[in-house]
Amino acid sequence: SAVISQKPSRDICQRGTSLTIQCQVDSQVTMMFWYRQQPGQSLTLIATANQGSEATYESGFVIDKFPISRPNLTFSTLTVSNLSPEDSSIYLCSVGGRTYGANVLTFGAGSRLTVL
Amino acid sequence: AQTVTQSQPEMSVQEAETVTLSCTYDTSENNYYLFWYKQPPSRQMILVIRQEAYKQQNATENRFSVNFQKAAKSFSLKISDSQLGDTAMYFCAFMNPISTSGTYKYIFGTGTRLKVLA
Repeated sequence: SAVISQKPSRDICQRGTSLTIQCQVDSQVTMMFWYRQQPGQSLTLIATANQGSEATYESGFVIDKFPISRPNLTFSTLTVSNLSPEDSSIYLCSVGGRTYGANVLTFGAGSRLTVL
Repeated sequence: AQTVTQSQPEMSVQEAETVTLSCTYDTSENNYYLFWYKQPPSRQMILVIRQEAYKQQNATENRFSVNFQKAAKSFSLKISDSQLGDTAMYFCAFMNPISTSGTYKYIFGTGTRLKVLA
């Protein structure tokens, strides 16, 4: 399975600023996914990032707040803009890989964001 | 819309004992996959086991096995001979391929926090 490097692993940011999270994969992948995991809760898909096209956002998430770049098949960034304390979460990058016919997700270690 | 429900927010088990984590889901799809993922305190999500909906045989991976009841839409995880390293958050997940676009979507449950006691 793919190996994902995600950074920063954690950060503390001031309200109103932005944070960009980087996700580097050791192999070329078509689809990359960005999830949010709020404290004590499950994973919520923010968007799917395909190389060469606009990211597809899930209901409740908009490009102005969560702009995503996908310049090539091994790299993506997620920016969380105009931060508020409600954005304090773990953000996870993941990619899918075919294993015995199933698209199995591999995850990065996550980026823990705290907004003051 | 698909939903995944994990009704046990927290569980504990003695080392070497067996524990079962529950998961139910709701879907009208016939072609789908079910997974259990583990998230240790280190945060790295790791695949534990997967099950194809078209397979009647329950999946097993060493000490981990599932009880897949398709008609009841139930997908429980059994951990045998529990070890301290099994302490983690366990997420049940549903995935269905979207044939029209070649993509797929995961739905995760709310998780069960398992603590293995020495």
